[in-house]
Amino acid sequence: EAGVTQSPTHLIKTRGQQVTLRCSPISGHTSVYWYQQALGLGLQFLLWYDEGEERNRGNFPPRFSGRQFPNYSSELNVNALELEDSALYLCASSLAPLYNEQFFGPGTRLTVL
Amino acid sequence: AQSVSQHNHHVILSEAASLELGCNYSYGGTVNLFWYVQYPGQHLQLLLKYFSGDPLVKGIKGFEAEFIKSKFSFNLRKPSVQWSDTAEYFCAVNAFGNEKLTFGTGTRLTIIP
Repeated sequence: EAGVTQSPTHLIKTRGQQVTLRCSPISGHTSVYWYQQALGLGLQFLLWYDEGEERNRGNFPPRFSGRQFPNYSSELNVNALELEDSALYLCASSLAPLYNEQFFGPGTRLTVL
Repeated sequence: AQSVSQHNHHVILSEAASLELGCNYSYGGTVNLFWYVQYPGQHLQLLLKYFSGDPLVKGIKGFEAEFIKSKFSFNLRKPSVQWSDTAEYFCAVNAFGNEKLTFGTGTRLTIIP
């Protein structure tokens, strides 16, 4: 069974640009979560999508947004990039929300110059 | 709001030593508790989880953790570590019914052969 996949693996952008990160959950999983792992800050919850709807949001500005598609894959969009957005962005998936075990993808490393 | 503290930032042990990594959380209600591990160059993997029942849970690779409700703790233990246990370990918690996982800042474990 394939795990959670994310693309691209690495990305380099400059300040002010926009970026889109992609995530495909494990087959059968309907919930997708996004986390930011910045140096020295640990993993911080960004967004949770389930059945195409945004269910919960972490303490991040509105320029962080996303969506979930009918096939349960998801995109994370970050507008007006800032230097401090440089981080590893992790996607996780789980079965329907009652099942709390989240399976993580390898992440997308974003560098903002 | 829930929070998780991992007081050991970097632990260095020799092979065959016993391991205990501390994890404390703050949240007054029912929680689910997790330990994740991130081996060098690999993505986050679940080591073990506690939802309910026996407070002593056993995970993969000989790890176990004990949930002590009165101390708001979920410490990770292994009686005899191996060089291959070198990794970063993250404790995480979510409030029952809330899918957002709150992570600790992680503990880097280095095992010396």
